[in-house]
Amino acid sequence: NAGVTQTPKFQVLKTGQSMTLQCAQDMNHNSMYWYRQDPGMGLRLIYYSASEGTTDKGEVPNGYNVSRLNKREFSLRLESAAPSQTSVYFCASSAAGGLNTGELFFGEGSRLTVL
Amino acid sequence: GNSVTQMEGPVTLSEEAFLTINCTYTATGYPSLFWYVQYPGEGLQLLLKATKADDKGSNKGFEATYRKETTSFHLEKGSVQVSDSAVYFCALSDNAGNMLTFGGGTRLMVKP
Repeated sequence: NAGVTQTPKFQVLKTGQSMTLQCAQDMNHNSMYWYRQDPGMGLRLIYYSASEGTTDKGEVPNGYNVSRLNKREFSLRLESAAPSQTSVYFCASSAAGGLNTGELFFGEGSRLTVL
Repeated sequence: GNSVTQMEGPVTLSEEAFLTINCTYTATGYPSLFWYVQYPGEGLQLLLKATKADDKGSNKGFEATYRKETTSFHLEKGSVQVSDSAVYFCALSDNAGNMLTFGGGTRLMVKP
């Protein structure tokens, strides 16, 4: 029962470097999400994918790109990392039917530090 | 746009004390409301939810009632345990059900 799996769990980057956070879910969920969590600010949505083949911007998309590779996988890319992107990143997924009645299932998080 | 405001923590209680964590929201339409909990080192998990006004969500001894007149969804538990120590997030859905907006989180610490 893996659920939502994120890699890597920890990463340290230098300003200007690029990296990709990987996320995979094995629950056959249609929708997938990337959030960032910062102290006192809760979780903020970066991008989401309501279904395979579609992606949409969330609240804080600047500096990020995403790819919905297939139904299982949704990656988040930082092309040129900045210290302001130091955060804990969470991937989540949900079944079809929307979040009004469903729930989000979260991965364990990826802690990223940009020096 | 939608927003969620939670009381700032940390909230420190003794075991068996009564818990209230306040949550108020601003939204258009009729959102669903949620409480998620994050235990140390883990991702968030759904604690309870309410999908319409006056609904009460409950789970593991926690309760919250969807109050449209006061735009609130306060979390309560009659007797907390040390194992309830975690960060609690209030959230609401947009009308289309495409995304959740989270509050800033409230850390609860329960001492034996």
